Amino acid sequence: ETGVTQTPRHLVMGMTNKKSLKCEQHLGHNAMYWYKQSAKKPLELMFVYNFKEQTENNSVPSRFSPECPNSSHLFLHLHTLQPEDSALYLCASSQESQLETQYFGPGTRLLVL
Amino acid sequence: ILNVEQSPQSLHVQEGDSTNFTCSFPSSNFYALHWYRWETAKSPEALFVMTLNGDEKKKGRISATLNTKEGYSYLYIKGSQPEDSATYLCAFPPNTGNQFYFGTGTSLTVIP
Repeated sequence: ETGVTQTPRHLVMGMTNKKSLKCEQHLGHNAMYWYKQSAKKPLELMFVYNFKEQTENNSVPSRFSPECPNSSHLFLHLHTLQPEDSALYLCASSQESQLETQYFGPGTRLLVL
Repeated sequence: ILNVEQSPQSLHVQEGDSTNFTCSFPSSNFYALHWYRWETAKSPEALFVMTLNGDEKKKGRISATLNTKEGYSYLYIKGSQPEDSATYLCAFPPNTGNQFYFGTGTSLTVIP
């Protein structure tokens, strides 16, 4: 257990559905991250939140919408996704800066039909 | 987008063998270099954060070295065990912004 939980662990959705991924950390960290891992590609950073403020958005399509209501919770709202968005979505947290270790959740395996 | 490369992509070794693999990153804008181990069906787990040129870190049978001037880090595993089987990732956060660039990983299989 890393102290970072993600729900659901698996999700199948149609292209017209709306769903949300949830991440929660119990480590008292101030930074939270969403990553995407597609087959045979490196982990791609999608969004970074520091002290609840979004500090990075790596040209992610607007069909992915993050939300960070407090330092412990991070959501990724999904709507009108495409089949190529099927991937493993990982959440991570760290104390603050990039010098510090990130702790990862187990991920949500997403399949878009 | 910065290029972080890892080699080899995959590796099979016999139990008891020692092994090593490489992470290459841009030598400019260096801030830190992270190593993670990712076992199947589990979360990536941090191994080391390295910041100083010439740094060497050790955790049990696993150690890592860092050369920031030439832009590479080596990860060594001494006396590999089946439980070392995993994908080993390196990650490079440059010194501007909040980015993290991961390599594609080295997949290690230790054969009993």
